[in-house]
Amino acid sequence: EVQLIQSGAEVKKPETSVKISCKLSGGTFTAYYIHWVKEAPGKGLEWMGLVDGQDGETVYGPKFRGRVTITVDASTDTASMELNSLRSEDTAVYFCTTGSGDFVSPYRFWGQGTLVTVSS
Amino acid sequence: DIQMTQSPSTLSASVGGRITITCRASQSISNRLAWYQKKPGQAPKLLIYEASSLESGVPSRFSGSGSGTQFSLTINSLQPDDFATYYCQQYNSRYTFGQGTKLEIK
Repeated sequence: EVQLIQSGAEVKKPETSVKISCKLSGGTFTAYYIHWVKEAPGKGLEWMGLVDGQDGETVYGPKFRGRVTITVDASTDTASMELNSLRSEDTAVYFCTTGSGDFVSPYRFWGQGTLVTVSS
Repeated sequence: DIQMTQSPSTLSASVGGRITITCRASQSISNRLAWYQKKPGQAPKLLIYEASSLESGVPSRFSGSGSGTQFSLTINSLQPDDFATYYCQQYNSRYTFGQGTKLEIK
């Protein structure tokens, strides 16, 4: 079964950047689209964007476009999400997730989440 | 972008009871609607996909219905483990979550 393992918690200062990784095992990395979802304290779930594990093509959510970059390294079966110009509202748990391998798919597999704390 | 309006935002119910959560899309999404259960400190868990298909391993007391713009999630015979937050999500045109419904024990 597919498993997604994310990198550890981060503490960052405002206006800096953070990069979180997500390693896929138990499946063929290039067959999946990896998505990123934000869960801010007391807020709901928010879709940030996705990357095609096969060719690195990306689609970003409107709220994050211009500030987030999602990349893949197929040689290590890893996707990464970098968020720039951090502000306090970016304090959240970030999840990577994927579905069945189709572009249009619900999320069956989830990483454990990575807490990012933005504080001066 | 498609907006998802979920209601209610909070819900109190008793063990053994039955609840229904609704989700409305701002435009038709066919049946590309999923429901997730979210507990603190855990990743979301897929319960229902394609509006009414039960994910493997999910108890049959969970059910979903609807198509187009109106959807619902029903939980019968509530168990203590069911008290959590529930989200709908459309995946017809990009991806959007509802605001969530927190299910509390009465």
